[in-house]
Parts: sequence; structure tokens; C-alpha cells
Amino acid sequence: DVKVTQSSRYLVKRTGEKVFLECVQDMDHENMFWYRQDPGLGLRLIYFSYDVKMKEKGDIPEGYSVSREKKERFSLILESASTNQTSMYLCASSPVGLAWKNTGELFFGEGSRLTVL
Amino acid sequence: GIQVEQSPPDLILQEGANSTLRCNFSDSVNNLQWFHQNPWGQLINLFYIPSGTKQNGRLSATTVATERYSLLYISSSQTTDSGVYFCAVEPHKGAGSYQLTFGKGTKLSVIP
Repeated sequence: DVKVTQSSRYLVKRTGEKVFLECVQDMDHENMFWYRQDPGLGLRLIYFSYDVKMKEKGDIPEGYSVSREKKERFSLILESASTNQTSMYLCASSPVGLAWKNTGELFFGEGSRLTVL
Repeated sequence: GIQVEQSPPDLILQEGANSTLRCNFSDSVNNLQWFHQNPWGQLINLFYIPSGTKQNGRLSATTVATERYSLLYISSSQTTDSGVYFCAVEPHKGAGSYQLTFGKGTKLSVIP
């Protein structure tokens, strides 16, 4: 089974702190994603990576950066956390090419619930 | 960008009842998926259904691509069906982008 593992289920940080959210997948997927989920807003894409050291901005990249030094690991960084970044953060991975075209499957981690005080 | 609207936003069912969830999208799509998020936050892919009909146990889904909507049917609902159901699409114009746009979800509560 595909496994996407997020390092922390629950975090509490203070305004201005630097926050790292880590995500690891074990299926050798090329694509990895970070989404943010807020009540009534659904999931919104923050950043996307299609290869090591490659990244693309999603719909709401402001206040975030990402790092992908290894294929299996994709990190989301909040350089200076703010209260409006309190949210559930979801990491996902997917295959590419025919595997994506035939199944379109996106595999999610369990989420990291971040509270910024 | 493409708009994805789900209805109803909230739904309460008695155990054993049937339900239909709807997803409307504003442009042609290359990829459409239904997800279930359980009360603990885990999102699971239910169906990959850019067109046609699929069934998996008590769940089935139909997408009418020409009319830009998809329906998720839940029959004989159980308390374990509770959670949030999301529809997500990859626009045809963005085919190969691998980026899905999600609707806001339908929150389903099944009561015993």
C-alpha cells in the first residue's frame, strides 16, 4: 500500500516562529503536493513539486516555501508563522504519465493540524 | 480558473437511508475524483471518474462530462460513511498539470 507520512499530527507554535512540516512517501512518486484545508473552503493547493529540486506555486503560496532535496521527501516551511496560518495541512503524492492518466490517484497523508498562537 | 460546486454542503441521514451528492464544474475536465475524508482527517480516493459510471459496493458514481456534473450515490448508509466528501477536477485545458481543484465538500453525518 502507498504510504504518505506526515511528521507531526498536531503542532502548536507562536507567531513569528519558523515551522517545518515534513512529508515522506514510499511509492517512488514523482509528484508531491501541499494543500491547506480550512472549514468551508475545501482544499487549496499551496505548492507542488514534480521532481527533485523542482517546485511550482499553487493557488495560495504567500507566506510559504518548500524544499524537495530527495524524491521521497517534500517539506513545507513557514518562515515566520502567523495566526492566519492556523490550519490543517495535507501532503499528497501521485504518479505521472500513464499511471496518472489511467487512475488519476492522489494519495494523502493523515494531515498536520497547526495552531499558531 | 475552473469552479467546482458541491451540494448539499451538509447532509444528515438516518442509518440505512440512501443519498445523492452532486458536483458541478464550470469547464471540461480531464480528471475527476471523489474523495472521502473520515472524522480523523484521512482522505481516501473513492472513484476516478472523468466520465461514465462506476460502482464499488454501496457506493457508485456517475459523471456526465458533456453536462459538467458528477453524482455520488451512497446506498444503505452506515455510520462509517460519515465525514466529508470532496469532488476534485483537473481541467482539460490543464491536462497533464496533475493539479486538482477541489470543491468545498459535502459534510455527511449518518446517525444510528
